[in-house]
Amino acid sequence: AQRVTQPEKLLSVFKGAPVELKCNYSYSGSPELFWYVQYSRQRLQLLLRHISRESIKGFTADLNKGETSFHLKKPFAQEEDSAMYYCALKYGNQFYFGTGTSLTVIP
Amino acid sequence: DAGVIQSPRHEVTEMGQEVTLRCKPISGHDYLFWYRQTMMRGLELLIYFNNNVPIDDSGMPEDRFSAKMPNASFSTLKIQPSEPRDSAVYFCASKYGLSDEQFFGPGTRLTVL
Repeated sequence: AQRVTQPEKLLSVFKGAPVELKCNYSYSGSPELFWYVQYSRQRLQLLLRHISRESIKGFTADLNKGETSFHLKKPFAQEEDSAMYYCALKYGNQFYFGTGTSLTVIP
Repeated sequence: DAGVIQSPRHEVTEMGQEVTLRCKPISGHDYLFWYRQTMMRGLELLIYFNNNVPIDDSGMPEDRFSAKMPNASFSTLKIQPSEPRDSAVYFCASKYGLSDEQFFGPGTRLTVL
């Protein structure tokens, strides 16, 4: 069955420190994975997709099929990165979301 | 475009009452999704529609929940009767065709007392 796990509900880092938000998935096929973000008082929005292999707002995420992971990383956290982050797996036209990680960047 | 529109933004009701949440997708989008967000379970897909037809409602928790999409620009999620455990934020999202990007509404925060 398709499943997305985000083991950390809360994560706090200091400004300028590296940050990694963990995501593991369970899927027997070739996965399509995404990170969505919800900033305070804003809508949930797409941050990045693994197939594009892009860096958005300094964030990157690499798909590791061996470890079934899609961790989100940024080398130097900024205060504006404080938000709720969701990892999502696309299956057909459905999206399976993890439970989310609330990131707080401490000034 | 104002994006996906949801109403009401906040709803407080008493246990046993009927609750109706409303959603207007982005014009031209042919997929519409209803999600429920809770601290414990995160974002759960309840049901989704394609061209106004319900495709998968396996996420609907109980028969107390029902959803309709009478036309391409309007959908409702109804809970009857409501219970305190239904308290959550309910999101509507839409997308177009094979695109993998969903566009979310602002959500409706439901509190059932």
